[in-house]
Amino acid sequence: AQSVTQLGSHVSVSEGALVLLRCNYSSSVPPYLFWYVQYPNQGLQLLLKYTSAATLVKGINGFEAEFKKSETSFHLTKPSAHMSDAAEYFCAVGPSGTYKYIFGTGTRLKVLA
Amino acid sequence: DAGVIQSPRHEVTEMGQEVTLRCKPISGHNSLFWYRQTMMRGLELLIYFNNNVPIDDSGMPEDRFSAKMPNASFSTLKIQPSEPRDSAVYFCASSNLAGKYNEQFFGPGTRLTVL
Repeated sequence: AQSVTQLGSHVSVSEGALVLLRCNYSSSVPPYLFWYVQYPNQGLQLLLKYTSAATLVKGINGFEAEFKKSETSFHLTKPSAHMSDAAEYFCAVGPSGTYKYIFGTGTRLKVLA
Repeated sequence: DAGVIQSPRHEVTEMGQEVTLRCKPISGHNSLFWYRQTMMRGLELLIYFNNNVPIDDSGMPEDRFSAKMPNASFSTLKIQPSEPRDSAVYFCASSNLAGKYNEQFFGPGTRLTVL
């Protein structure tokens, strides 16, 4: 069975500070991992995805995530937070060839001026 | 591409009324998903269609909920009768499972309020 755990339902950072959102997964098969962002009153948008091609994945808006198999982690980072990054972020896991995403419970990012 | 289209964007109805949510997936996608999002339960998969056929409806909460996909470009999620606890944001997503990474594309959602 697969699962995803997002540590911290709420994270606050100052504008310009490092953003670190944590995601740990459990999977018995090589996973495909995704980060989605949801801005207020909008649907989920794909930020980035890990598909085994490279362990460091770069996404949109300056975000990146590193797949660490030994730690079963896929943490999302951004060097310098911007006010526009305030949103909810979801980590998801899905194995190849199946349809079912397992979504984490989400982390709401607040950026302080 | 217009992306996944959902209508209406907002729906307010009274308890006991029938509610129909609509979704147009991205052209060429062969899979469609209905999700429900609430503060209490997060994002829940309600039902999944592949090539217009319902494959997994184990997430549909009750018989009051039903979903159809009469063709590749249209799906509905119906609640009859609606109850206040059905208030949530309902998302439709589509994907091309023939593609390599099963990425799902989400619509903007329908915010349902049942009074």
